[in-house]
Amino acid sequence: SYVLTQPPSVSVAPGKTARITCGGNNIGRKSVHWYQQKPGQAPVMVISYDGDRPSGIPERFSGSNSGNTATLTISRVEVGDEADYYCQLWDSSRGVFGGGTKLTVL
Amino acid sequence: EVQLVESGGGLVQPGGSLRLSCVASGFTFDDYAMHWVRQAPGKGLEWVSGISWNSDTIGYADSVKGRFTISRDNAKNSLSLQMNSLRAEDMALYYCAKEEEKHSYGSDAFEIWGQGTMVTVSS
Repeated sequence: SYVLTQPPSVSVAPGKTARITCGGNNIGRKSVHWYQQKPGQAPVMVISYDGDRPSGIPERFSGSNSGNTATLTISRVEVGDEADYYCQLWDSSRGVFGGGTKLTVL
Repeated sequence: EVQLVESGGGLVQPGGSLRLSCVASGFTFDDYAMHWVRQAPGKGLEWVSGISWNSDTIGYADSVKGRFTISRDNAKNSLSLQMNSLRAEDMALYYCAKEEEKHSYGSDAFEIWGQGTMVTVSS
């Protein structure tokens, strides 16, 4: 089965850029979606199809996907961005999630 | 307002059964694939099962195949998950989620999520 690998944690200072990676075999050939989950809340889609940002999600959130790594980039990080982030894709019509990355804003 | 509301969670003994429900509002339910995603306490997200808009395509994670059954009633805007032979490892918060695009299955993002219903498996 397909495996997605995320770093358990990423730390960044306010105003800086955070990059959260999602590794998988030839992941660049698949479409990757990203979700933000704050404590006690349901996940929220922040990026779909590698880099599409839904309405209501700040332009500071962007995504890319190539080779064996997909990346969620959060520019000008704010304290309110502190959350768990998950990548997700479909493999043989089965949903696959990465293990999640806890973003800490120092 | 687009909304998904889950119910049916609770405490069940190992080997027992439980039926989860999800009622949708604010969108044309029968145009979209729907899914169940779970999250064990302190753990990450795990896709459990999905069903296409017309119930023609159904999928399960290996961890639940043969024990869980997903179904939908488009007339009632509802999604269900029948869970049998429950195990300790099935204990989790179960989310109902809507796929993003009309008439597709297994390609889009989970656009809308409910708040979840908790399933506790313990003797």
